[in-house]
Amino acid sequence: GESVGLHLPTLSVQEGDNSIINCAYSNSASDYFIWYKQESGKGPQFIIDIRSNMDKRQGQRVTVLLNKTVKHLSLQIAATQPGDSAVYFCAENMNSGGYQKVTFGTGTKLQVIP
Amino acid sequence: KAGVTQTPRYLIKTRGQQVTLSCSPISGHRSVSWYQQTPGQGLQFLFEYFSETQRNKGNFPGRFSGRQFSNSRSEMNVSTLELGDSALYLCASRLNFGGATNEKLFFGSGTQLSVL
Repeated sequence: GESVGLHLPTLSVQEGDNSIINCAYSNSASDYFIWYKQESGKGPQFIIDIRSNMDKRQGQRVTVLLNKTVKHLSLQIAATQPGDSAVYFCAENMNSGGYQKVTFGTGTKLQVIP
Repeated sequence: KAGVTQTPRYLIKTRGQQVTLSCSPISGHRSVSWYQQTPGQGLQFLFEYFSETQRNKGNFPGRFSGRQFSNSRSEMNVSTLELGDSALYLCASRLNFGGATNEKLFFGSGTQLSVL
């Protein structure tokens, strides 16, 4: 069946270092991918997205890479800060019969060590 | 523009009771989705409503139901509560539910339900 999974459930990173969070997806028909950040006590919030016709997109301190060949998505956070500590979810969107179906990964917890 | 609003923020119920959660989407958003989130689990999709009609449904028992009103506000109901229903219930809105436009979801802060 369709699934989106993460390689690492918990990632600990020293403050100032770069973080890389990975995500594997199984549906080659997915055409839109999003990373969300969920802080304690809050709902997930949009970080960055990428369409399937791109392989890289940059935001402020964040970069998303898409490798369609191996169905892999990654989120890179530069100069990780304590405020980056959260759970990160990847999500894939697929147009299924005119409906945009969204499938979320299981999440990776990022812990920033001061 | 106000974000997605969910009420109440916390709920404590006992087994066998029923509960209703409310969600007000971002103004102009017509699609509302509901998710269940438990510790160690990802976001489990419950259902999505658009124009007062359920458009898609996840793999949850019939005890979980929802509806959407003409102003796009949505409610979800869980009947005959079980201990395993304890979770954070998240609501998310987006402009539409289909078409060629890819849209991100905007989430509320959720309702934390505890079943004793």
